[in-house]
Amino acid sequence: ETGVTQTPRHLVMGMTNKKSLKCEQHLGHNAMYWYKQSAKKPLELMFVYNFKEQTENNSVPSRFSPECPNSSHLFLHLHTLQPEDSALYLCASSQAGRQGGYGYTFGSGTRLTVV
Amino acid sequence: GNSVTQMEGPVTLSEEAFLTINCTYTATGYPSLFWYVQYPGEGLQLLLKATKADDKGSNKGFEATYRKETTSFHLEKGSVQVSDSAVYFCALGGKLIFGQGTELSVKP
Repeated sequence: ETGVTQTPRHLVMGMTNKKSLKCEQHLGHNAMYWYKQSAKKPLELMFVYNFKEQTENNSVPSRFSPECPNSSHLFLHLHTLQPEDSALYLCASSQAGRQGGYGYTFGSGTRLTVV
Repeated sequence: GNSVTQMEGPVTLSEEAFLTINCTYTATGYPSLFWYVQYPGEGLQLLLKATKADDKGSNKGFEATYRKETTSFHLEKGSVQVSDSAVYFCALGGKLIFGQGTELSVKP
């Protein structure tokens, strides 16, 4: 399988649940990203990982916890979320240091609904 | 800081109409520019890109020219199809900065 794969595609969780989103890329990229896409709002960059190290956290609440065990996998651990966290969560990857010219490859996203 | 501004949507067109979606940017230096497309229920796909001034990116009948003098990267297509209905995002590189997206709806 090639490209960026996100699982699950849809997730409904209660505010007291703990769940994880998974992202996997088979492109040989070494930078990975989490974005949040809410209705009627611009894409929000949440986290950036370069060579498995977190290089950016855009003031994301601690109820979102990323993990990057290797350059091919990225997780977003969720706990005690709020209804306003309902959104499409997109994962992307790129070649670190070359994203300026080559853009990112995105997964299809996980549609999260917090009830 | 760097920023991207896109025209407000939604844009509704009839099939075979001409499309323009405006995008302007503010940036230091000369970053690459991109258009991404998001079909319903999907993630973003790279549609086209331009890496320097006066470059023209093109793909699937869509075109955009990197205009340094007007700081613009407008997306155009001569004849849209129903299958082009999607949300289009203009983006500014190195670290990608996205515009707010423009929804396009093409009616038969």
